[in-house]
Amino acid sequence: GAVVSQHPSRVICKSGTSVKIECRSLDFQATTMFWYRQFPKKSLMLMATSNEGSKATYEQGVEKDKFLINHASLTLSTLTVTSAHPEDSSFYICSAAPGGGATREQYFGPGTRLTVT
Amino acid sequence: GNSVTQMEGPVTLSEEAFLTINCTYTATGYPSLFWYVQYPGEGLQLLLKATKADDKGSNKGFEATYRKETTSFHLEKGSVQVSDSAVYFCALSGKTGANNLFFGTGTRLTVIP
Repeated sequence: GAVVSQHPSRVICKSGTSVKIECRSLDFQATTMFWYRQFPKKSLMLMATSNEGSKATYEQGVEKDKFLINHASLTLSTLTVTSAHPEDSSFYICSAAPGGGATREQYFGPGTRLTVT
Repeated sequence: GNSVTQMEGPVTLSEEAFLTINCTYTATGYPSLFWYVQYPGEGLQLLLKATKADDKGSNKGFEATYRKETTSFHLEKGSVQVSDSAVYFCALSGKTGANNLFFGTGTRLTVIP
């Protein structure tokens, strides 16, 4: 089946530094990838949608200069949290949707736990 | 706007017990409804879905019926197994396909032998 990986699974960084999270579709090409954020005991919140080769579309309230998304290939999207602060600590989850068809299922990665100290 | 309200957990059941996880939604238009499951250490997986009123989604013994009159999509299973222990997420999509999913908070289920 369709597998999506994320790396790293956990990261701890100091306040003010930047962190990059990778999302890869391992056995299919993903024309669209999504980035979600999950707070403890809260819903997954969609942060942005990225299409290969074009700029990401950010949801209202998400700072695009802080959460840089790059979708350079059909199998890789990266999320960079710039100048991280403790309030950015969260669980970040990506998903990928294969190309083609009117109905596209999303396949989710296992998530990345970011802790900013 | 779109939102999903899901039964808070955690839920602990004995093996072979009956499971219900409640989910209600608020949406404009006619959303598609989903249940996702996340097993320990893995990503979310689509468990079942329904795309219109009165549709019943089913998979692996789980069922959920799209009830427009009560705006609900409750998840049920007649006899749970230890292997069903996971976190279950109810979600809706306001558009054709799986874009723009709105998730509930998730319900952790633990099944004990």
